[in-house]
Amino acid sequence: DAGVIQSPRHEVTEMGQEVTLRCKPISGHNSLFWYRQTMMRGLELLIYFNNNVPIDDSGMPEDRFSAKMPNASFSTLKIQPSEPRDSAVYFCASSPAGTGNEKLFFGSGTQLSVL
Amino acid sequence: GQQVMQIPQYQHVQEGEDFTTYCNSSTTLSNIQWYKQRPGGHPVFLIQLVKSGEVKKQKRLTFQFGEAKKNSSLHITATQTTDVGTYFCAAPLNAGGTSYGKLTFGQGTILTVHP
Repeated sequence: DAGVIQSPRHEVTEMGQEVTLRCKPISGHNSLFWYRQTMMRGLELLIYFNNNVPIDDSGMPEDRFSAKMPNASFSTLKIQPSEPRDSAVYFCASSPAGTGNEKLFFGSGTQLSVL
Repeated sequence: GQQVMQIPQYQHVQEGEDFTTYCNSSTTLSNIQWYKQRPGGHPVFLIQLVKSGEVKKQKRLTFQFGEAKKNSSLHITATQTTDVGTYFCAAPLNAGGTSYGKLTFGQGTILTVHP
């Protein structure tokens, strides 16, 4: 298996532009997580899905952030409009059944820079 | 909200010295996991501890879970330059109900090894 696949690896955009991050979880995994990593705040959980259904989006910082999971093999995280403070590394992770006793498999992340 | 506190934030050691990072929670944990993130990389699962007082070893790495299941530690004996990175503990923290695999991460300990 190729693991969790994220795209793009790097994104540089200007303030106010829309940004869409993409994730393909490991086939057969039922839970998908979006994390954001910054030096100041560490790894923060933004939102997670189980069987394509959003379970908890309390970590989403503002209404500018939205996430979808239209099917079991694809998820997007959208920021509209983007702001410089959104600059961070965004990780997608998946786990098999989401029971809380399983490890997370992380993608390589998207390094986002908003100028 | 519920948190997992991890110390120290940074640790600089000379190659060959030992290293330890600690995690503490105010609540009893069902399990605790440890991840390593190499510079520029993504978190990679190392191990999971489930039982009270559990001790697991992976070569030079020793992982412990406290008797009360509220704290854990990772100890590296005789560090090598390949040990460089950030070490995270993570645990499912849910105030009742199913966590679906959601993990809350500690702040991480950044380990630097000087040759």
